[in-house]
Amino acid sequence: AQSVTQLDSQVPVFEEAPVELRCNYSSSVSVYLFWYVQYPNQGLQLLLKYLSGSTLVESINGFEAEFNKSQTSFHLRKPSVHISDTAEYFCAVSGFFGNEKLTFGTGTRLTIIP
Amino acid sequence: NAGVTQTPKFQVLKTGQSMTLQCAQDMNHEYMSWYRQDPGMGLRLIHYSVGAGITDQGEVPNGYNVSRSTTEDFPLRLLSAAPSQTSVYFCASSYGLVGGEQFFGPGTRLTVL
Repeated sequence: AQSVTQLDSQVPVFEEAPVELRCNYSSSVSVYLFWYVQYPNQGLQLLLKYLSGSTLVESINGFEAEFNKSQTSFHLRKPSVHISDTAEYFCAVSGFFGNEKLTFGTGTRLTIIP
Repeated sequence: NAGVTQTPKFQVLKTGQSMTLQCAQDMNHEYMSWYRQDPGMGLRLIHYSVGAGITDQGEVPNGYNVSRSTTEDFPLRLLSAAPSQTSVYFCASSYGLVGGEQFFGPGTRLTVL
């Protein structure tokens, strides 16, 4: 079995400030890790994912996340946020050998303060 | 491509009524799934399918049925609606089960009175 913990349910940040959204996972097998974003009144969209290779992965809109196996973390960061980044962010994990289904965290609501 | 489509967008039911939430995808994805989203609980998997004719239960399957007669369609049936089923329901599809990006529909907001 696998699980995902997003400790912060809400994160308010001033515009142009940096942000980090925390994600920790637990799994007995190797994992794939994902961040999905949900803009108001929409479905979820994939923001970025780690499958293998470089532990630092980036999205097209300036977000990045680093897979840290020793700390079982996959924190999401952006050096300077914009109003358009206001959304809910979900960390998710899937594994191998019977643990392939995607398991989501409870989400972090990012609010950008002008 | 329309991607993943869901109907209806909103629905209000009375306790005990039944209904079907429709989901269709035009990307020829084998894997489809249904999630419910509740405040503070993230998304929880209800049922999923790895191909036409093959379905399996997820984390919270009670009170829901699914079938997969075609690759494109994956309807979710509420047999006898209960207030605890008030939620936002999302359908998703992907090329594969392992490591693949899931594409989500816009959701159905269901209220059970």
